[in-house]
Amino acid sequence: SQQGEEDPQALSIQEGENATMNCSYKTSINNLQWYRQNSGRGLVHLILIRSNEREKHSGRLRVTLDTSKKSSSLLITASRAADTASYFCATTQGGKLIFGQGTELSVKP
Amino acid sequence: GAVVSQHPSRVICKSGTSVKIECRSLDFQATTMFWYRQFPKKSLMLMATSNEGSKATYEQGVEKDKFLINHASLTLSTLTVTSAHPEDSSFYICSALPRGLSNQPQHFGDGTRLSIL
Repeated sequence: SQQGEEDPQALSIQEGENATMNCSYKTSINNLQWYRQNSGRGLVHLILIRSNEREKHSGRLRVTLDTSKKSSSLLITASRAADTASYFCATTQGGKLIFGQGTELSVKP
Repeated sequence: GAVVSQHPSRVICKSGTSVKIECRSLDFQATTMFWYRQFPKKSLMLMATSNEGSKATYEQGVEKDKFLINHASLTLSTLTVTSAHPEDSSFYICSALPRGLSNQPQHFGDGTRLSIL
């Protein structure tokens, strides 16, 4: 069964705005990962945050993790049209990646 | 960076045909590869874990006789959809874990869109 629930399911913003996506999970984790998928393509790994970390940055990406609430958020700052894609959180269980339902982000120029 | 090549990228064939999809790790060895299925606007569903030199481990509800997996080398896993029918039409994606780096992110292929007429 799917581990993560993400919201919103779809998000439409203007270029330059920030985009925030949330992910909740059910079991304890060692780490949580965020992936990006362009339409009709495979997944690209964005960032991994370990369970003992609360926040991590990579370029315009900021990820937070709250293990007490079993939730994570991905913030994309100063969004660009090229950020248009689906974004998935994923946790590892028994060596297997379990994905959330994903957020479809549309950034309008 | 680590590259995974998946081939073919698109297949259109008649019902009853068997289709083989290849997943290759181009610049690293992968003892473990994964096969996922994705429906339109949905998330990835793990189908099976492919282990080099041993039998694949299938997820609950995935027919092993329908989806044959072979991982004959450290750089190649294949998924064969046997006697495919329209309900098998989907987007299939593979991923690979670099050998000895089980805690690292998986590297994904670009997927295969399978359409059964």
